[in-house]
Amino acid sequence: GNSVTQMEGPVTLSEEAFLTINCTYTATGYPSLFWYVQYPGEGLQLLLKATKADDKGSNKGFEATYRKETTSFHLEKGSVQVSDSAVYFCALYAGNNRKLIWGLGTSLAVNP
Amino acid sequence: DAGVIQSPRHEVTEMGQEVTLRCKPISGHDYLFWYRQTMMRGLELLIYFNNNVPIDDSGMPEDRFSAKMPNASFSTLKIQPSEPRDSAVYFCASSRLTGGGGYTFGSGTRLTVV
Repeated sequence: GNSVTQMEGPVTLSEEAFLTINCTYTATGYPSLFWYVQYPGEGLQLLLKATKADDKGSNKGFEATYRKETTSFHLEKGSVQVSDSAVYFCALYAGNNRKLIWGLGTSLAVNP
Repeated sequence: DAGVIQSPRHEVTEMGQEVTLRCKPISGHDYLFWYRQTMMRGLELLIYFNNNVPIDDSGMPEDRFSAKMPNASFSTLKIQPSEPRDSAVYFCASSRLTGGGGYTFGSGTRLTVV
């Protein structure tokens, strides 16, 4: 079946450090891939997405490239800020049933 | 658009009481999802609707939980009777028929059952 695996957190970084959060997936066909962010006390927000192989999604300085050969969609940011502290979810959409398949989330804390 | 609107934001109730959570999806979105989020179990899909019709309720934990969508602009999730283990944040999300599956989430209802 379809599944998403995220690196476990929490991840703690200093401000301006480089961020990578790993996400790998298992799916039949050609899924769409997403990163969502959840700030404290809020709902999830779509951060970026990619709908086909080699696409790069980007938003707010975050990037992720859809790698079909490694079935990965790792989230990266070159220089994190305190305001990036949040929980990040990787998700997959594989077909017509409209359900997203979610990773467990990775908590990020950025210290000044 | 005001986004997905949930009410109330916080609910504290006593065990055994009925609780009703409300959601107004984004106009034009054909799909509506109810999720529950806890530290122990993470994000769980409870039920989802397409054009007001329930499609998959396999995530509803037990008969104490029920959900309705009487029209395209309103949905409710009801717990009767409530129990302390139902304490969680409940999210509603909606999406278009097309668009790659991305969802728009509401801000959630934090339910505490004492």
